[in-house]
Amino acid sequence: KAGVTQTPRYLIKTRGQQVTLSCSPISGHRSVSWYQQTPGQGLQFLFEYFSETQRNKGNFPGRFSGRQFSNSRSEMNVSTLELGDSALYLCASSTSGTYNEQFFGPGTRLTVL
Amino acid sequence: DQQVKQNSPSLSVQEGRISILNCDYTNSMFDYFLWYKKYPAEGPTFLISISSIKDKNEDGRFTVFLNKSAKHLSLHIVPSQPGDSAVYFCAASGGGYQKVTFGTGTKLQVIP
Repeated sequence: KAGVTQTPRYLIKTRGQQVTLSCSPISGHRSVSWYQQTPGQGLQFLFEYFSETQRNKGNFPGRFSGRQFSNSRSEMNVSTLELGDSALYLCASSTSGTYNEQFFGPGTRLTVL
Repeated sequence: DQQVKQNSPSLSVQEGRISILNCDYTNSMFDYFLWYKKYPAEGPTFLISISSIKDKNEDGRFTVFLNKSAKHLSLHIVPSQPGDSAVYFCAASGGGYQKVTFGTGTKLQVIP
């Protein structure tokens, strides 16, 4: 089985722009979660989707949004980028949710200038 | 508010010895705990998990211990190998919510 894929792998944007990141889960996985990783903060939970429904959301401003499509692929959008949004964004998929083992993609490294 | 804490940012251990990584949590709603390992430039990979109804779970060289009264869990790696050198994250879920809280990670270096 192919693993979790994330595109693009690297992205450079300027403040005020918006960005869309994409995640393709492992075939058959219906749960997709997104995380932000920054030095010293570990992995911060952004949101989790299952069958196109957001089931939970972390403590991030409304500039961070996401969606999941019928084929379980997911996108994450960040609007009005700020310097502090520079981070590694990780996507993870699982069969049914965060109570199961999650499989992570390699991440998208976002740099905001 | 850091609900899952890994107070040791780094740990060095000799090859063949035991590595013990610690994790503390504050939220009593957590009932499922996981450990992930992360190599540079890769996403985290699942290692081992434990439910709050157990106090120990073992998988090969990896054992996780859970002390609910102390809100503390630990990961033991025996024997440690150089390939175990990575960042280890403790994570917790609970209350039926599909949300995982991760610790800040401990960087383990196994010295040959």
